[in-house]
Amino acid sequence: GIQVEQSPPDLILQEGANSTLRCNFSDSVNNLQWFHQNPWGQLINLFYIPSGTKQNGRLSATTVATERYSLLYISSSQTTDSGVYFCAVGTRAGTALIFGKGTTLSVSS
Amino acid sequence: ETGVTQTPRHLVMGMTNKKSLKCEQHLGHNAMYWYKQSAKKPLELMFVYSLEERVENNSVPSRFSPECPNSSHLFLHLHTLQPEDSALYLCASSRERQASYEQYFGPGTRLTVT
Repeated sequence: GIQVEQSPPDLILQEGANSTLRCNFSDSVNNLQWFHQNPWGQLINLFYIPSGTKQNGRLSATTVATERYSLLYISSSQTTDSGVYFCAVGTRAGTALIFGKGTTLSVSS
Repeated sequence: ETGVTQTPRHLVMGMTNKKSLKCEQHLGHNAMYWYKQSAKKPLELMFVYSLEERVENNSVPSRFSPECPNSSHLFLHLHTLQPEDSALYLCASSRERQASYEQYFGPGTRLTVT
């Protein structure tokens, strides 16, 4: 099956710093989603981005499907950005999203 | 209510109890999912329903019994669970069952089995 690897596993930032999270996947996909899991466990949809670039406020994402990776950019980080960021991929032939192990982000003031 | 809702948010149960988790989606989607997230492990798919028909069961023990009475509601019935079943149980929905469609998740039920 498809393998999803995220890096780095942990990231510690000061408030106001910028960061880049990476997601590599091992095969062609039709779906790539970025999620933020808050401390209460809820998975919040950040981007649905099987290819191309999208921006939403301080967050942006780019997926280069031909090279099988995606990047999530967080600018001017805030303490509320803390949590775990997951990348998940899916294909038209499958039903399940395949999740990476996540990047744990800690932002301190 | 909007999106995907789950109740209860927290549940503590003994190994001999029977309880049920409830999920409701308000998005008009045709597919619903149960995922399990254990500590230090990636999310794992448990069950998939499409138009109230179960289309996938990922080798889940029979002590977990799903039910989908209509396309908006999904239940997970629990009985004689083990302590290792303690986890966060997440419900999700998507427009259709193919994983090419965007999936939306509920807030989860944190289950502790004592």
